[in-house]
Amino acid sequence: GAVVSQHPSRVICKSGTSVKIECRSLDFQATTMFWYRQFPKKSLMLMATSNEGSKATYEQGVEKDKFLINHASLTLSTLTVTSAHPEDSSFYICSARGATYTDTQYFGPGTRLTVL
Amino acid sequence: AQTVTQSQPEMSVQEAETVTLSCTYDTSESDYYLFWYKQPPSRQMILVIRQEAYKQQNATENRFSVNFQKAAKSFSLKISDSQLGDAAMYFCAYRIDTGTASKLTFGTGTRLQVTL
Repeated sequence: GAVVSQHPSRVICKSGTSVKIECRSLDFQATTMFWYRQFPKKSLMLMATSNEGSKATYEQGVEKDKFLINHASLTLSTLTVTSAHPEDSSFYICSARGATYTDTQYFGPGTRLTVL
Repeated sequence: AQTVTQSQPEMSVQEAETVTLSCTYDTSESDYYLFWYKQPPSRQMILVIRQEAYKQQNATENRFSVNFQKAAKSFSLKISDSQLGDAAMYFCAYRIDTGTASKLTFGTGTRLQVTL
C-alpha cells in the first residue's frame, strides 16, 4: 500500500510552546488528509479534515485556534499545537487519501507529544 | 450520527486457532464501506480488509475474512490460523462516501492476544 510518514515520531516540549507535526504522503498525491488524536488504550478521535488548498474542517469540540492545520501541497499537511499544555499530551496520527474519495485511507506512524 | 460498536474489549486465541471479532454499526445509509484496521504495539494503523456494502460477497484477504450481514448491520472479522504477529488492537471502521466529507468512524477496538 501507499506510504505516509510523520515527523517527528516523538516530541517533548515545555508548557506554553508550540509544536509542529508534519505528515507527508510519499508515493501518492493526498487530496485529503485527516488528523486524529488517540489517548492510551482508546480509539482514534478525528480532529479535523483538510483538503489541499482549503481551510481545514474541524470536528465539534476541537479548537481550531489551538490546533492549526495547513495543507499547502498535495503531499504535505502540518498540525501545529499552539501554546501547548500538559493536557495536550497525546498520540497524534495523520492519514491521507488520494484524489478519489472512495480511495483507501493510509495512516502515518503517529507522533507522541509530551508537554511538560 | 453513525456509530460503530465493538463489544469485546479483549480476546485471546491460541496460535494456529481461529478467532472472530465482532462489530456492529448503526446507519441509515445504504451505500457505505466497512473496514478492519490493525494497530500493533508500534501504533501504525494497518488496513486488514475492506467491504463495500453493495457487495453481497464477503471480503477475504488470505487468513482474514469477514462475515458481513447488512440487514443485521454486523461486520465480524475472522482470523484463521492465528499467528503471534496477529496480536494487536483491531478497530472496526465505517465510512459513507459523501465526497470531500467522507471520513472514517472507528469503533472502540478489541485487543487480541495470541498465546502459544
